[in-house]
Amino acid sequence: KAGVTQTPRYLIKTRGQQVTLSCSPISGHRSVSWYQQTPGQGLQFLFEYFSETQRNKGNFPGRFSGRQFSNSRSEMNVSTLELGDSALYLCASSRNGIQETQYFGPGTRLLVL
Amino acid sequence: SQQGEEDPQALSIQEGENATMNCSYKTSINNLQWYRQNSGRGLVHLILIRSNEREKHSGRLRVTLDTSKKSSSLLITASRAADTASYFCATASVAGGTSYGKLTFGQGTILTVHP
Repeated sequence: KAGVTQTPRYLIKTRGQQVTLSCSPISGHRSVSWYQQTPGQGLQFLFEYFSETQRNKGNFPGRFSGRQFSNSRSEMNVSTLELGDSALYLCASSRNGIQETQYFGPGTRLLVL
Repeated sequence: SQQGEEDPQALSIQEGENATMNCSYKTSINNLQWYRQNSGRGLVHLILIRSNEREKHSGRLRVTLDTSKKSSSLLITASRAADTASYFCATASVAGGTSYGKLTFGQGTILTVHP
């Protein structure tokens, strides 16, 4: 079974731009969660989608948004990028949510200049 | 601050020795999960222990959970150089009246195993 894939793997943007990251979950998994990892703040929960609906959201500004498609693939968007948005963005999938093992993708490393 | 707090922050041992990492948390949980991360890559799931369980084993890994003390420990026996990685505990808390919630990660323990 193919694992969780994330594209792109690396991205360089400048302040003020916007970015879209993509996550393809394991086949059959309907839950996709997104996390931001930085050296200072560690791993922080962004949001979780299940069957195209956002079920939960972390404490991030409205510049961070996401969506999930009918095939469970998910995208997250960050608008008006700031230097502090530089991070490793990880997505995780599972069949039904956090009550189960989460399978993480390799991450997208975003650098904002 | 993070729900899960791990200690030590860094651990350096020789191959063959055992490594123990601890995790403490603050609120009620549904389960606690341990993950490994190599050099800023994706996280690999190690063990999930539910709130009504006290101990779980998987190969060289042993996880304990003490809900009265709100703490968990991960023991890696007979460590190998390939075990060098960052280890994170993550607590799963379900939103009231629902079956979903979020994982809250600790800051992690950096384990270095010297050959």
